[in-house]
Amino acid sequence: DAGITQSPRHKVTETGTPVTLRCHQTENHRYMYWYRQDPGHGLRLIHYSYGVKDTDKGEVSDGYSVSRSKTEDFLLTLESATSSQTSVYFCAISATGAYEQYFGPGTRLTVT
Amino acid sequence: SQQGEEDPQALSIQEGENATMNCSYKTSINNLQWYRQNSGRGLVHLILIRSNEREKHSGRLRVTLDTSKKSSSLLITASRAADTASYFCATARNSGNTPLVFGKGTRLSVIA
Repeated sequence: DAGITQSPRHKVTETGTPVTLRCHQTENHRYMYWYRQDPGHGLRLIHYSYGVKDTDKGEVSDGYSVSRSKTEDFLLTLESATSSQTSVYFCAISATGAYEQYFGPGTRLTVT
Repeated sequence: SQQGEEDPQALSIQEGENATMNCSYKTSINNLQWYRQNSGRGLVHLILIRSNEREKHSGRLRVTLDTSKKSSSLLITASRAADTASYFCATARNSGNTPLVFGKGTRLSVIA
């Protein structure tokens, strides 16, 4: 998976708790992305980063925050998890924003 | 909002047949990309076609782009059971930071 890892791979949490997902890359790529994938909705962008400490919102950013303090790590935080955030979360990286993205293996998050 | 929309949503063919999937988009683009996703895995980049290209080949894959109709097609020739997956198109509006926008995908089943 092009030097991308996500942790944890599976998580079950309760409504109202904070959750942090981690994406780690060893490719030194400038761009990093967080997506969620749900049946019937395809892949939707949550947040992305175009450099260390440079982030921007995507299509479905409400309820999520991100941080990138190092090139290799991009963290996604659900501030207070809700059942609607039950999903599969994918991280992706890209050397150049408009070209190929490489995806991590995904994190399956269940909020009960 | 989804920029690319794949058609059909699902496609079932016999091994050895050709599979054609289509993608339509709404605005001008810098390039269009196709990705494959096997069940439970992250997306994998297949091929990229730039806005000034009309056709591109990679192994058994053939991609066409018609910018006047704002549409693209992905042809997989001589399909194999291993081609069973979901296929997504993604569009890049420009060559800068603007993220790719993914469609909802076509689910291809190749029956042996």
